[in-house]
Amino acid sequence: GENVEQHPSTLSVQEGDSAVIKCTYSDSASNYFPWYKQELGKRPQLIIDIRSNVGEKKDQRIAVTLNKTAKHFSLHITETQPEDSAVYFCAASRGNQFYFGTGTSLTVIP
Amino acid sequence: DADVTQTPRNRITKTGKRIMLECSQTKGHDRMYWYRQDPGLGLRLIYYSFDVKDINKGEISDGYSVSRQAQAKFSLSLESAIPNQTALYFCAASSGPYNEQFFGPGTRLTVL
Repeated sequence: GENVEQHPSTLSVQEGDSAVIKCTYSDSASNYFPWYKQELGKRPQLIIDIRSNVGEKKDQRIAVTLNKTAKHFSLHITETQPEDSAVYFCAASRGNQFYFGTGTSLTVIP
Repeated sequence: DADVTQTPRNRITKTGKRIMLECSQTKGHDRMYWYRQDPGLGLRLIYYSFDVKDINKGEISDGYSVSRQAQAKFSLSLESAIPNQTALYFCAASSGPYNEQFFGPGTRLTVL
Protein backbone atom coordinates (compact mmCIF):
# COMPACT_ATOMS: atom_id res chain seq x y z
CA GLY A 1 0.00 0.00 0.00
CA GLU A 2 0.86 3.66 -0.01
CA ASN A 3 3.16 5.21 2.59
CA VAL A 4 3.01 8.95 3.19
CA GLU A 5 5.65 10.69 5.29
CA GLN A 6 5.24 14.27 6.46
CA HIS A 7 7.82 16.69 7.87
CA PRO A 8 8.25 18.52 10.11
CA SER A 9 5.93 17.35 12.86
CA THR A 10 5.99 20.79 14.50
CA LEU A 11 6.77 24.18 13.00
CA SER A 12 6.87 27.62 14.60
CA VAL A 13 7.15 30.78 12.51
CA GLN A 14 6.89 34.49 13.15
CA GLU A 15 3.81 36.22 11.82
CA GLY A 16 4.45 37.36 8.27
CA ASP A 17 7.07 34.70 7.54
CA SER A 18 6.55 31.74 5.23
CA ALA A 19 5.90 28.14 6.26
CA VAL A 20 6.71 25.03 4.23
CA ILE A 21 5.51 21.51 4.95
CA LYS A 22 6.78 18.57 2.94
CA CYS A 23 5.39 15.13 2.19
CA THR A 24 6.71 12.12 0.33
CA TYR A 25 4.73 9.18 -1.01
CA SER A 26 5.66 5.73 -2.22
CA ASP A 27 3.01 4.64 -4.75
CA SER A 28 3.70 6.08 -8.18
CA ALA A 29 0.05 5.39 -9.11
CA SER A 30 -1.20 7.99 -6.63
CA ASN A 31 -2.73 10.85 -8.59
CA TYR A 32 -4.43 13.14 -6.11
CA PHE A 33 -2.78 15.04 -3.27
CA PRO A 34 -4.99 17.10 -0.95
CA TRP A 35 -3.99 19.15 2.06
CA TYR A 36 -6.23 19.46 5.10
CA LYS A 37 -6.19 21.99 7.93
CA GLN A 38 -7.48 20.95 11.32
CA GLU A 39 -8.03 23.56 13.97
CA LEU A 40 -8.14 22.50 17.59
CA GLY A 41 -11.27 20.48 18.29
CA LYS A 42 -12.52 20.77 14.73
CA ARG A 43 -12.81 18.50 11.70
CA PRO A 44 -10.16 18.41 8.96
CA GLN A 45 -11.02 20.87 6.19
CA LEU A 46 -9.68 20.72 2.65
CA ILE A 47 -7.61 23.82 1.90
CA ILE A 48 -5.98 22.98 -1.40
CA ASP A 49 -5.35 19.98 -3.60
CA ILE A 50 -3.33 19.09 -6.66
CA ARG A 51 -3.77 16.47 -9.35
CA SER A 52 -0.85 14.55 -10.77
CA ASN A 53 -1.10 16.28 -14.14
CA VAL A 54 -0.01 19.64 -12.75
CA GLY A 55 3.14 20.74 -10.95
CA GLU A 56 1.91 23.72 -8.96
CA LYS A 57 -1.32 25.26 -7.78
CA LYS A 58 -1.87 28.50 -5.91
CA ASP A 59 -4.78 29.95 -3.99
CA GLN A 60 -4.06 33.35 -2.46
CA ARG A 61 -1.44 32.79 0.28
CA ILE A 62 -1.39 29.01 -0.12
CA ALA A 63 0.42 27.04 -2.80
CA VAL A 64 1.16 23.39 -3.37
CA THR A 65 3.91 21.93 -5.53
CA LEU A 66 4.21 18.38 -6.81
CA ASN A 67 7.28 16.56 -8.07
CA LYS A 68 6.07 13.26 -9.49
CA THR A 69 9.53 12.02 -10.36
CA ALA A 70 10.76 12.42 -6.81
CA LYS A 71 7.36 11.52 -5.34
CA HIS A 72 7.11 14.50 -3.08
CA PHE A 73 4.75 17.43 -2.65
CA SER A 74 4.84 20.50 -0.48
CA LEU A 75 2.52 23.07 1.05
CA HIS A 76 3.67 26.68 1.10
CA ILE A 77 1.96 29.33 3.19
CA THR A 78 3.16 32.90 2.71
CA GLU A 79 2.59 35.94 4.93
CA THR A 80 1.48 33.71 7.78
CA GLN A 81 -1.15 34.97 10.21
CA PRO A 82 -2.07 33.74 13.71
CA GLU A 83 -5.24 32.14 12.30
CA ASP A 84 -3.02 29.86 10.21
CA SER A 85 -2.07 28.09 13.46
CA ALA A 86 -3.45 24.54 13.17
CA VAL A 87 -2.46 20.99 12.33
CA TYR A 88 -1.96 20.38 8.62
CA PHE A 89 -2.26 16.96 7.00
CA CYS A 90 -1.16 15.88 3.58
CA ALA A 91 -2.66 12.87 1.83
CA ALA A 92 -2.14 10.77 -1.27
CA SER A 93 -4.79 8.85 -3.15
CA ARG A 94 -5.24 6.91 -6.36
CA GLY A 95 -9.02 6.93 -6.14
CA ASN A 96 -9.95 4.23 -3.66
CA GLN A 97 -8.28 5.08 -0.39
CA PHE A 98 -6.66 8.09 1.12
CA TYR A 99 -3.36 7.72 2.97
CA PHE A 100 -2.65 10.56 5.35
CA GLY A 101 0.60 11.92 6.69
CA THR A 102 1.02 12.17 10.45
CA GLY A 103 0.40 15.90 10.55
CA THR A 104 2.35 19.12 11.15
CA SER A 105 1.42 21.35 14.04
CA LEU A 106 1.99 24.93 12.84
CA THR A 107 2.21 27.77 15.32
CA VAL A 108 2.32 31.34 14.07
CA ILE A 109 3.78 33.63 16.70
CA PRO A 110 2.30 37.16 16.68
CA ASP B 1 -18.96 20.58 6.30
CA ALA B 2 -22.51 20.57 7.64
CA ASP B 3 -23.59 17.88 5.19
CA VAL B 4 -21.79 15.16 7.19
CA THR B 5 -23.01 14.62 10.73
CA GLN B 6 -21.95 12.21 13.45
CA THR B 7 -23.64 11.01 16.62
CA PRO B 8 -22.79 10.95 19.42
CA ARG B 9 -20.16 13.70 19.59
CA ASN B 10 -18.72 12.36 22.82
CA ARG B 11 -19.03 8.99 24.47
CA ILE B 12 -17.50 7.44 27.55
CA THR B 13 -17.93 3.71 27.95
CA LYS B 14 -16.44 0.76 29.78
CA THR B 15 -14.29 -2.10 28.58
CA GLY B 16 -16.37 -4.88 27.01
CA LYS B 17 -19.36 -2.73 26.07
CA ARG B 18 -20.77 -2.64 22.54
CA ILE B 19 -20.72 0.81 21.00
CA MET B 20 -22.17 2.15 17.77
CA LEU B 21 -21.14 5.41 16.18
CA GLU B 22 -23.42 6.80 13.49
CA CYS B 23 -22.73 8.94 10.44
CA SER B 24 -25.13 10.57 8.02
CA GLN B 25 -24.63 12.71 4.92
CA THR B 26 -27.08 14.76 2.94
CA LYS B 27 -25.26 15.46 -0.34
CA GLY B 28 -25.75 12.09 -2.01
CA HIS B 29 -22.07 11.10 -1.87
CA ASP B 30 -21.62 7.49 -2.86
CA ARG B 31 -18.50 6.79 -0.82
CA MET B 32 -18.23 6.83 2.94
CA TYR B 33 -15.32 6.23 5.30
CA TRP B 34 -14.47 5.77 8.94
CA TYR B 35 -11.13 6.98 10.30
CA ARG B 36 -9.61 7.14 13.74
CA GLN B 37 -7.24 9.88 14.81
CA ASP B 38 -4.62 9.43 17.48
CA PRO B 39 -2.01 12.01 18.53
CA GLY B 40 1.08 11.73 16.36
CA LEU B 41 -0.44 9.10 14.09
CA GLY B 42 -2.63 11.17 11.85
CA LEU B 43 -5.79 9.72 10.35
CA ARG B 44 -5.96 5.98 9.81
CA LEU B 45 -8.62 4.27 7.75
CA ILE B 46 -10.82 1.70 9.49
CA TYR B 47 -13.42 0.81 6.85
CA TYR B 48 -14.81 2.29 3.67
CA SER B 49 -17.82 1.73 1.46
CA PHE B 50 -18.37 2.69 -2.16
CA ASP B 51 -22.10 1.94 -2.12
CA VAL B 52 -24.70 0.17 -0.05
CA LYS B 53 -23.54 -3.30 -1.10
CA ASP B 54 -19.84 -2.60 -0.86
CA ILE B 55 -17.78 -2.77 2.37
CA ASN B 56 -13.99 -2.78 2.46
CA LYS B 57 -11.47 -3.07 5.27
CA GLY B 58 -8.97 -0.32 5.80
CA GLU B 59 -5.57 -0.57 7.45
CA ILE B 60 -6.86 -0.95 11.04
CA SER B 61 -10.18 -2.84 10.84
CA ASP B 62 -9.55 -5.37 13.64
CA GLY B 63 -12.00 -4.89 16.51
CA TYR B 64 -14.43 -2.87 14.38
CA SER B 65 -17.37 -3.60 12.09
CA VAL B 66 -19.50 -1.36 9.90
CA SER B 67 -22.92 -1.25 8.31
CA ARG B 68 -24.01 0.82 5.31
CA GLN B 69 -27.73 0.95 5.99
CA ALA B 70 -28.46 3.35 3.13
CA GLN B 71 -26.49 5.57 0.80
CA ALA B 72 -26.70 8.32 3.40
CA LYS B 73 -25.85 6.30 6.51
CA PHE B 74 -22.70 4.47 7.58
CA SER B 75 -22.31 3.22 11.14
CA LEU B 76 -19.24 1.96 12.97
CA SER B 77 -19.49 -0.63 15.75
CA LEU B 78 -17.09 -1.72 18.43
CA GLU B 79 -18.38 -5.14 19.48
CA SER B 80 -16.39 -5.25 22.70
CA ALA B 81 -14.66 -1.95 23.40
CA ILE B 82 -11.12 -1.92 24.81
CA PRO B 83 -9.11 1.02 26.21
CA ASN B 84 -6.78 1.28 23.20
CA GLN B 85 -9.81 2.13 21.07
CA THR B 86 -9.95 5.45 22.89
CA ALA B 87 -9.57 7.97 20.06
CA LEU B 88 -11.24 10.60 17.95
CA TYR B 89 -13.31 9.01 15.20
CA PHE B 90 -14.14 10.78 11.95
CA CYS B 91 -16.60 9.82 9.28
CA ALA B 92 -16.07 11.17 5.77
CA ALA B 93 -18.07 11.16 2.55
CA SER B 94 -16.88 11.66 -1.00
CA SER B 95 -17.72 11.31 -4.64
CA GLY B 96 -16.28 12.23 -8.02
CA PRO B 97 -13.21 10.99 -9.84
CA TYR B 98 -10.74 12.34 -7.32
CA ASN B 99 -12.70 11.32 -4.27
CA GLU B 100 -12.46 14.66 -2.43
CA GLN B 101 -13.38 13.87 1.15
CA PHE B 102 -15.68 15.86 3.42
CA PHE B 103 -15.37 15.10 7.11
CA GLY B 104 -17.93 14.97 9.86
CA PRO B 105 -17.34 16.80 13.16
CA GLY B 106 -15.86 13.77 14.90
CA THR B 107 -16.79 11.55 17.83
CA ARG B 108 -14.54 11.50 20.86
CA LEU B 109 -14.68 8.00 22.33
CA THR B 110 -13.19 7.12 25.70
CA VAL B 111 -13.05 3.49 26.81
CA LEU B 112 -12.34 3.06 30.51
